[in-house]
Parts: sequence; structure tokens; C-alpha cells
Amino acid sequence: AQSVAQPEDQVNVAEGNPLTVKCTYSVSGNPYLFWYVQYPNRGLQFLLKYITGDNLVKGSYGFEAEFNKSQTSFHLKKPSALVSDSALYFCAVRDGSSGTYKYIFGTGTRLKVLA
Amino acid sequence: GAGVSQSPSNKVTEKGKDVELRCDPISGHTALYWYRQSLGQGLEFLIYFQGNSAPDKSGLPSDRFSAERTGGSVSTLTIQRTQQEDSAVYLCASSLSSGQGETQYFGPGTRLLVL
Repeated sequence: AQSVAQPEDQVNVAEGNPLTVKCTYSVSGNPYLFWYVQYPNRGLQFLLKYITGDNLVKGSYGFEAEFNKSQTSFHLKKPSALVSDSALYFCAVRDGSSGTYKYIFGTGTRLKVLA
Repeated sequence: GAGVSQSPSNKVTEKGKDVELRCDPISGHTALYWYRQSLGQGLEFLIYFQGNSAPDKSGLPSDRFSAERTGGSVSTLTIQRTQQEDSAVYLCASSLSSGQGETQYFGPGTRLLVL
């Protein structure tokens, strides 16, 4: 069975500092990994994904994530946080080797960027 | 173009009543997902439709929950004999297909409150 863990309910970071939001996963086959963001009173929006290829994936709004197979992680990063990055972030995984198209989402991490 | 739309945006009902939630996916998207987002929880997969294939219903929490997708487009999620624990935000998402981990586009959700 596939699973995702986001170990931090909330991450606080000062504006201008680098940020990291952690995600680890478990799948028996090839992982398809995603990050989505939910701004207040708005729907979930896609940020970036890893399917295959380069381990470092770049996405929207200056975010990037690194796929680490040995650590089964897909942490979200940004070199310099903005107050406007404050939102709820979800990591998701699908087992690309199985016949299922079910995506499993983490419980979310609330990012608070302080001015 | 138009995104995923859901109706109603809010629904208040009494325990024991039936409710229907509607999702209009992006035109041309063959895959459609329903998720449930409870306070303090992540997104919980409910059901998935892909083209004319049999839906993956493995996430439906009980037989009170059902969903259909007519004509490969609009989908309705029905909850019979609602319970207070059904209170949550119900999210719909669509994607072009699910063959290679396509991006899901989410609707704004229906906030359901069961009194």
C-alpha cells in the first residue's frame, strides 16, 4: 500500500530565509510525487511533480523539490520565502507501477512566513 | 477557460437526510476524482473515474456514499442518511488522463455541515 507522511503540522520561517517542507513516501513500485498548495479561501493548486528524470524538479512560484530515492523523500524547498507563500501545502503520491490511479495525500503542512 | 466547478458551495443538512454534490470537470478531461477534506486531516481519496472504465470506489467510507458520472462529464456524489461525521469539504478534481501522473485540477469544494 502507498502512504505519505508530512511530519510537520506547521513550519514558521522569516521572510527572505530559505524554507523546507518535508515529505516522505512509501510505495512498492515507482513513485509519482506531487506538491499542491492551498491558499486561504482558494482551491488546491498544482506546484510541481516528479514522474521520472532529473531528481531536482522546479515548479511554480520559485519552488523546487528533490526526489531522493534512498531516503524516500520529496521535500519542497524555496531559497527565499515570501509572506505570500503562507498557505497549506500537500504532498501526494501514486504508485506508477501498479494498476491503481489512486493518489494518496499527506495531512498537509501549514507554512507561515513572518515579515 | 473554465476550471472545475462544484455546487453547491455550501450545504447545511439535518442528520439522516440525503445530499447530492455536483462536479463539472474541465471540458475534455477524462479522469475525475472525489476527495474529502476534514478539519485537521489531509485529503481522503473517495472515488475515481477514468473514461468508460469501471470506477475505483475503494475510498468510499461506507455504502451510504455513492457517485456516478454521466456521459463522461458531470459527476454527482450522493451521501444517504447523512451523519455528523460526514461534515467536511468535498473536493472534486479532474485531469486529462491518469496514464503518466497528469496534474489534477481542483474545484473550490462543497462545504457540508450535518447538524
